[in-house]
Amino acid sequence: DQQVKQNSPSLSVQEGRISILNCDYTNSMFDYFLWYKKYPAEGPTFLISISSIKDKNEDGRFTVFLNKSAKHLSLHIVPSQPGDSAVYFCAASGGGTSYGKLTFGQGTILTVHP
Amino acid sequence: DSGVTQTPKHLITATGQRVTLRCSPRSGDLSVYWYQQSLDQGLQFLIQYYNGEERAKGNILERFSAQQFPDLHSELNLSSLELGDSALYFCASSAETGGFLNTEAFFGQGTRLTVV
Repeated sequence: DQQVKQNSPSLSVQEGRISILNCDYTNSMFDYFLWYKKYPAEGPTFLISISSIKDKNEDGRFTVFLNKSAKHLSLHIVPSQPGDSAVYFCAASGGGTSYGKLTFGQGTILTVHP
Repeated sequence: DSGVTQTPKHLITATGQRVTLRCSPRSGDLSVYWYQQSLDQGLQFLIQYYNGEERAKGNILERFSAQQFPDLHSELNLSSLELGDSALYFCASSAETGGFLNTEAFFGQGTRLTVV
């Protein structure tokens, strides 16, 4: 049962353009969402997060949008840079004592071409 | 460098064997989390320890066990290994028990386990 889904295994974008990575979830108990970036041979690195009380959170070139009614979130990277090429994971966490457990999507491979 | 150290980086072993993966959290972090990433799968949560005590449990197999020692390092023990246990095993640490809420967690580079 895949509670967090990233339906696009890969995305290719030109340098300078916008990258949009999408994520859907099914568990309505999730109320905290995170994006991680992962380079080969490295562990995931935290990028940005959003609480369910918000619908948008920005950090520099990265913006995460949350649509609770659609159970959908997206990560926008503007402008995209070749160094952004990596695997991006969406993750979600539930309430109460469950914040120690993250449920991850399968990841999307982003390739930014110069 | 996240400050989380995992050893070994690579491990090749035969079916039926037992292995121990080690994780040293960032200095001062009390929480340790273990995740498994199988081929074509996202990271699957296994277990969390906070200051030596088990705090949360995921779909961890009975053949797997973990512990966190007084110096806060953690070990993940995998026994009666099967081919399907081949995966990347990640450890993460954070300062608080609240997990990833309002506090960043840092992942190690992972241990790649290959069962042959």
